[in-house]
Amino acid sequence: ILNVEQSPQSLHVQEGDSTNFTCSFPSSNFYALHWYRWETAKSPEALFVMTLNGDEKKKGRISATLNTKEGYSYLYIKGSQPEDSATYLCAAHNQAGTALIFGKGTTLSVSS
Amino acid sequence: DAGVIQSPRHEVTEMGQEVTLRCKPISGHDYLFWYRQTMMRGLELLIYFNNNVPIDDSGMPEDRFSAKMPNASFSTLKIQPSEPRDSAVYFCASSSGLVNTGELFFGEGSRLTVL
Repeated sequence: ILNVEQSPQSLHVQEGDSTNFTCSFPSSNFYALHWYRWETAKSPEALFVMTLNGDEKKKGRISATLNTKEGYSYLYIKGSQPEDSATYLCAAHNQAGTALIFGKGTTLSVSS
Repeated sequence: DAGVIQSPRHEVTEMGQEVTLRCKPISGHDYLFWYRQTMMRGLELLIYFNNNVPIDDSGMPEDRFSAKMPNASFSTLKIQPSEPRDSAVYFCASSSGLVNTGELFFGEGSRLTVL
């Protein structure tokens, strides 16, 4: 069974701080890694989908990197804003045609 | 497109009652997923369908749970009889294709409370 781990479980930063969190997954039979952003009272929305080792994707102040050989991905937020407060979910699947398995998420709180 | 539509948004029922949750995926998406969100386990996969056919139901907790997808635009998740430990938020999601690493589009969830 694919096991996806995220750390830290929660994080509190001040507005303007940059932050990052980690997602780890089994490196064997890796297929794809997804990051989702989940705001309170809403549903998760996709941020990035990455497949290749060394992939780096960026959307505004948020970026992500992928290391498939060692089985981890980092999500970075530069200059955090209160509207970045959300739970960030990482999900992976290890072959085509299988479902995404989610980590438990990192909950970010940004104070102004 | 209206996105993934789930109903009901909230359901409160008594232990032993039957619960049916409904989902309409995004038109054209060929994968449909049911996930359950709890504090303890996070977002866990229950079952998923490809072209209306169940592919993996290993996440379904027990025989009290069943899911169907009679056509490409509708799926149900049924719990009979319901128990208090089934209380959770149930999410439906659809995708245009796992082979293409398609992102999931989630519905707003159905919050179930079993008393």
